Amino acid sequence: DAGVIQSPRHEVTEMGQEVTLRCKPISGHDYLFWYRQTMMRGLELLIYFNNNVPIDDSGMPEDRFSAKMPNASFSTLKIQPSEPRDSAVYFCASSLRLGGFSTEAFFGQGTRLTVV
Amino acid sequence: AQTVTQSQPEMSVQEAETVTLSCTYDTSESDYYLFWYKQPPSRQMILVIRQEAYKQQNATENRFSVNFQKAAKSFSLKISDSQLGDAAMYFCAYFQGGSEKLVFGKGTKLTVNP
Repeated sequence: DAGVIQSPRHEVTEMGQEVTLRCKPISGHDYLFWYRQTMMRGLELLIYFNNNVPIDDSGMPEDRFSAKMPNASFSTLKIQPSEPRDSAVYFCASSLRLGGFSTEAFFGQGTRLTVV
Repeated sequence: AQTVTQSQPEMSVQEAETVTLSCTYDTSESDYYLFWYKQPPSRQMILVIRQEAYKQQNATENRFSVNFQKAAKSFSLKISDSQLGDAAMYFCAYFQGGSEKLVFGKGTKLTVNP
């Protein structure tokens, strides 16, 4: 398996524009997570899905942020409109839960977003 | 809410020496998992080692080992025979089954000097 695949690797956009980040989880994994990494706040969980259903979106900072998982192999994180303070590295991760135990979370290589 | 604290923003070690990275966490739960992740400049998050809270034995993975003190809520990472490739950010993380949330510390930047 190629691992968790995120696109694009880098995104530069102007303030006010819509930005869409994409993620393909590892096949067969039933959990998908979106994290944001900044110097000030570290790694923050934004939202996670189980079997394509959003379970906890309490980390989503504002209504400008939305995430979808239309099927088991694809998820998007959208920011509309984008602001300079949204500049960060956004990670997608997936994992498989086996019975009462969870395996590790596998991370994509992240998307570095710069909003100017 | 669970919190994870890494009190050392930066650490350095000489090649072939041993270094210990500190991590403490706060939880009222008795069953959970702890992890150390490595993030090299490539940004890839790589799992280094995992510890189940119900296990008393400290986890080891080759040159990496942990000192898990459940009562003290401490989970330090020891890197033996440090190599240049160990230079990276290291993140301690807490996981609570049921919530499926990984809570990360702020990270420790490790520099390995030749």
